[in-house]
Amino acid sequence: DTEVTQTPKHLVMGMTNKKSLKCEQHMGHRAMYWYKQKAKKPPELMFVYSYEKLSINESVPSRFSPECPNSSLLNLHLHALQPEDSALYLCASRGRSNQPQHFGDGTRLSIL
Amino acid sequence: EDQVTQSPEALRLQEGESSSLNCSYTVSGLRGLFWYRQDPGKGPEFLFTLYSAGEEKEKERLKATLTKKESFLHITAPKPEDSATYLCAVPDPWGGYQKVTFGTGTKLQVIP
Repeated sequence: DTEVTQTPKHLVMGMTNKKSLKCEQHMGHRAMYWYKQKAKKPPELMFVYSYEKLSINESVPSRFSPECPNSSLLNLHLHALQPEDSALYLCASRGRSNQPQHFGDGTRLSIL
Repeated sequence: EDQVTQSPEALRLQEGESSSLNCSYTVSGLRGLFWYRQDPGKGPEFLFTLYSAGEEKEKERLKATLTKKESFLHITAPKPEDSATYLCAVPDPWGGYQKVTFGTGTKLQVIP
């Protein structure tokens, strides 16, 4: 069992749909992350929130919109996605900057 | 730009056949190195943090070591359940060490 919980585990959506991915952690971490991972590749950073403020955005398309309602929650809002956006979306959290990130088990997203 | 390279890309071992995975890095001013294990369709699971050259950490059949230029993950008498992709990552100074650079991973298969 991981200490970072992601929902849903699987999501299938059409290119015109709007959906959201959710992430929750109760480790008291103040940095939270969204990653995208394609098959046989390492996780690719999308967004970093530090103390609930967006601090890093790795030039991700605007069809992905992050939200950090509080220090324990992180959402990723999806709109008008493309088939190439099909991937495993991972959430992570971290304590101090020299400490490791802890990952959830991800949401497997398929775009039809 | 910081580089993290893992080798081999894939490794197939017989059960009980010990071996080592390599992670080499070119980060200046290393602030830690992290090892993760990732099973298919799941998020990376944190294994070890190493902070200084000469440091070693152990967990069951795994032992991680660190030098000034590389880290090794030694697997002693592996079992089929050790089959997974092993990732290393180092904190990236860009953005105040809020992000990490991942290696491309080593896919380990242990055959009964």
